[in-house]
Amino acid sequence: GIQVEQSPPDLILQEGANSTLRCNFSDSVNNLQWFHQNPWGQLINLFYIPSGTKQNGRLSATTVATERYSLLYISSSQTTDSGVYFCSNTNAGKSTFGDGTTLTVKP
Amino acid sequence: GAGVSQSPSNKVTEKGKDVELRCDPISGHTALYWYRQSLGQGLEFLIYFQGNSAPDKSGLPSDRFSAERTGGSVSTLTIQRTQQEDSAVYLCASRPGQGRFEQYFGPGTRLTVT
Repeated sequence: GIQVEQSPPDLILQEGANSTLRCNFSDSVNNLQWFHQNPWGQLINLFYIPSGTKQNGRLSATTVATERYSLLYISSSQTTDSGVYFCSNTNAGKSTFGDGTTLTVKP
Repeated sequence: GAGVSQSPSNKVTEKGKDVELRCDPISGHTALYWYRQSLGQGLEFLIYFQGNSAPDKSGLPSDRFSAERTGGSVSTLTIQRTQQEDSAVYLCASRPGQGRFEQYFGPGTRLTVT
């Protein structure tokens, strides 16, 4: 099945710094989502982005489906951004998740 | 509106017992997923329901695992004869269907098998 590779696996930032998280796919990207799993375990939708670019406040995402990758940008990071960021792709109903990027933002 | 809800939030059971985990999807969502997340790991797909179609059970790890979705709404994941390796957080998600693919997750059930 489709493989999803996320990088980096871990990221430590000082508050206020910017970061870029990446997701690579081994097969076609159809229905890509980015999630943030907060320290309490809740998965929160960030973006549904099968292609193109979207922005929501300090976060933005870009998916280049033809090259099978997606990027999540976090600007002016805050301690509340800490947690694990997952990307997933859904194809024919079945979803595959990456292993996540663990982000720690220090005050 | 109400999000996806799951119950119980925590379950501790003895090895060999059966457990049932419940998921209430967002009203009107036609698709429902179950995932398993072990400590510090990613999400492992278990099963997928779409409308009245036969579910995709390809992710169920053994025949001790089963799931039902009644009336196109509430779903129950059943684990029979639980083993210690079944300990994990079980997450449910629903999505609208009708050409919309974004998934919305519940808070999960933390299962501990002693």
